[in-house]
Amino acid sequence: EVQLVESGGGLVKPGGSLRLSCAASGITFSNAWMSWVRQAPGKGLEWVGRIKSKTDGGTTDYAAPVKGRFIISRDDSKNTLYLQMNSLKTEDTAVYYCTKGYWAVAQVYLDYWGQGTLVTVSS
Amino acid sequence: SYELTQPPSVSVSPGQTASITCSGDKLGDKYACWYQQKPGQSPVLVIYQDNKRPSGIPERFSGSNSGNTATLTISGTQAMDEADYYCQAWDSSSPVVFGGGTKLTVL
Repeated sequence: EVQLVESGGGLVKPGGSLRLSCAASGITFSNAWMSWVRQAPGKGLEWVGRIKSKTDGGTTDYAAPVKGRFIISRDDSKNTLYLQMNSLKTEDTAVYYCTKGYWAVAQVYLDYWGQGTLVTVSS
Repeated sequence: SYELTQPPSVSVSPGQTASITCSGDKLGDKYACWYQQKPGQSPVLVIYQDNKRPSGIPERFSGSNSGNTATLTISGTQAMDEADYYCQAWDSSSPVVFGGGTKLTVL
């Protein structure tokens, strides 16, 4: 059974930092391309960014609203995905989901999702 | 940037067929997928590659994609299908683009 378990959410002041973790099991994590997706309260889904597997280069891509502030990384020895969030803004308030995706040429779908962790940015 | 447009809400009577559309420029040239999200839960993939169902998704869920519109169809809609549905596709401007979501109400 695939499990993605996020942790690290909480309340942080504007301008602050927070690091989210996602522990994966039931998948060959080292081969997986992983993404973070967020959902502001009462709003729709928004892709945050992605990290490729190390064998595919381990590179990252980010959505425009978070580029330069958020960093995605992975520790394959721990089957864990991370999201380092810096210079947080009130508009970053959301539930953050860890997802595993199927990525191919001009195609992607997210086949497994974690339960999400809530990040609240407020003074 | 690429945009996907969904109706905010769709209503259907139990046992009837629900259709939820997703519109985008030349969407039919891309692969579309669909997610179901029930209140307080994480999204679940229900259709991928336009019309394929993941294991465990009931046969009443189907999809199509042509021209500028992808459609999620739920045949014999049940009360348990009441949820928010999101379409998603890939684009060169942003790898993962979501539609705004459609709230399906089963009356």
